[in-house]
Amino acid sequence: KAGVTQTPRYLIKTRGQQVTLSCSPISGHRSVSWYQQTPGQGLQFLFEYFSETQRNKGNFPGRFSGRQFSNSRSEMNVSTLELGDSALYLCASSSPNEGTEAFFGQGTRLTVV
Amino acid sequence: QQQVKQSPQSLIVQKGGISIINCAYENTAFDYFPWYQQFPGKGPALLIAIRPDVSEKKEGRFTISFNKSAKQFSLHIMDSQPGDSATYFCAATAGGSYIPTFGRGTSLIVHP
Repeated sequence: KAGVTQTPRYLIKTRGQQVTLSCSPISGHRSVSWYQQTPGQGLQFLFEYFSETQRNKGNFPGRFSGRQFSNSRSEMNVSTLELGDSALYLCASSSPNEGTEAFFGQGTRLTVV
Repeated sequence: QQQVKQSPQSLIVQKGGISIINCAYENTAFDYFPWYQQFPGKGPALLIAIRPDVSEKKEGRFTISFNKSAKQFSLHIMDSQPGDSATYFCAATAGGSYIPTFGRGTSLIVHP
C-alpha cells in the first residue's frame, strides 16, 4: 500500500508570495492533518480535515489555510509568506481502521527568502 | 503551553549503550502515548506506543516505561546502534484523537 505522498519536496519562495502544498493520503484514509516542523518549535499542529471538513485547527494565523477534496487529497496554502514560515511542512493521514496512528509523509521543505 | 515535556534535547551514546528519553505530561485525559522516530529527510514514523493500563511495553530493543501516577513515560533503547541515530518524539493523544501533542524531540547520536 502506498504511503502518504507530499509534493513538492522542496520549495523556495520570496517574502510576500503565496504557496500551495499538496498531500495525498494513504488510500482509504479520510483524516488528513498538517504540521509545521521547525528546529525551535518542534512539531506544531496546523489543522485536520476529515471528509472535506476542517475538524480541528491549531493556533496559526489566518494566512495558513487548507482544504480537502472528495478523494481525501488535501492542499495547504500559505499567503503573504514571511521569513518565519520557512519550515518542513508535514502531512499525516489516519484511519479508524488503523487505530489512532498518524502516518506521515516525507514533508515539503519550504524556504522563504 | 507545552503539554508534553521531553528531555533531553540531545543525547550521545556509545554503540551498545542504553539510550533513555523521558517525557512528562499534564493532561490526565491523554490515553495513548506513541513514540515517533524521524530520520533526516523523512517524516516521523511510529516506533512504539503504550496505553496507560500497562506500565511497560517492549518491542525488540525498544521499551516504553509508563508511570501513570507521576504522569511520566520514557523510551529505553537497549544495545543502541548507529542506525538508531535519529530524532525521537514522544507524543500523547486523548479520546481517540488522530492529533498527537508532540514533545520537542530528542536528537540521538549513537557513536560506533
